[in-house]
Amino acid sequence: QKEVEQDPGPLSVPEGAIVSLNCTYSNSAFQYFMWYRQYSRKGPELLMYTYSSGNKEDGRFTAQVDKSSKYISLFIRDSQPSDSATYLCAMPRGYSSASKIIFGSGTRLSIRP
Amino acid sequence: DTAVSQTPKYLVTQMGNDKSIKCEQNLGHDTMYWYKQDSKKFLKIMFSYNNKELIINETVPNRFSPKSPDKAHLNLHINSLELGDSAVYFCASSQAVELKVTGELFFGEGSRLTVL
Repeated sequence: QKEVEQDPGPLSVPEGAIVSLNCTYSNSAFQYFMWYRQYSRKGPELLMYTYSSGNKEDGRFTAQVDKSSKYISLFIRDSQPSDSATYLCAMPRGYSSASKIIFGSGTRLSIRP
Repeated sequence: DTAVSQTPKYLVTQMGNDKSIKCEQNLGHDTMYWYKQDSKKFLKIMFSYNNKELIINETVPNRFSPKSPDKAHLNLHINSLELGDSAVYFCASSQAVELKVTGELFFGEGSRLTVL
């Protein structure tokens, strides 16, 4: 079993829809949770990070963590064509310079105009 | 100014050849990484250097040899290329203190390697 599991999609929704992207993880020691966004032919870039359980909102994006279920989500409100990208969840294993960031396999999202 | 830059962006080569990818970061970060992303977008860490010292070495064939001449540069040399080495290789950097807080890695645009 992989430490971090993510549905690869692709997920296609109409512009303006609410998008829900999800990951599950197996390591209960994970405490920080990140979402990276990767546009086609580009490197991933950090979109949001959150610590422990609960919600964190940033504009149209909300990150949600449920540590009891080992489940994290990213919600995108009022989705735009510019949100079309691959979204990768990520968690650091360790908290030093030697920590490894473990990535999910990414969900490819397409927003139809 | 590109923060993390990799060269070349594209490599097409025959099996058995040797190739190198170079990476430079101008962010002043002390840690650099090589990640491999396969065709299914799975991003897996290969190596990490902190101030020129190797600190992470995943289970990677020893045909792959990283070198860090200084903390702003991290190169990857691959010997005897195989078909399975075809992937996008990403260089990334981070500042150790910030990594604990935000988990932020700064990625280059990737080097797409195709082995024929």
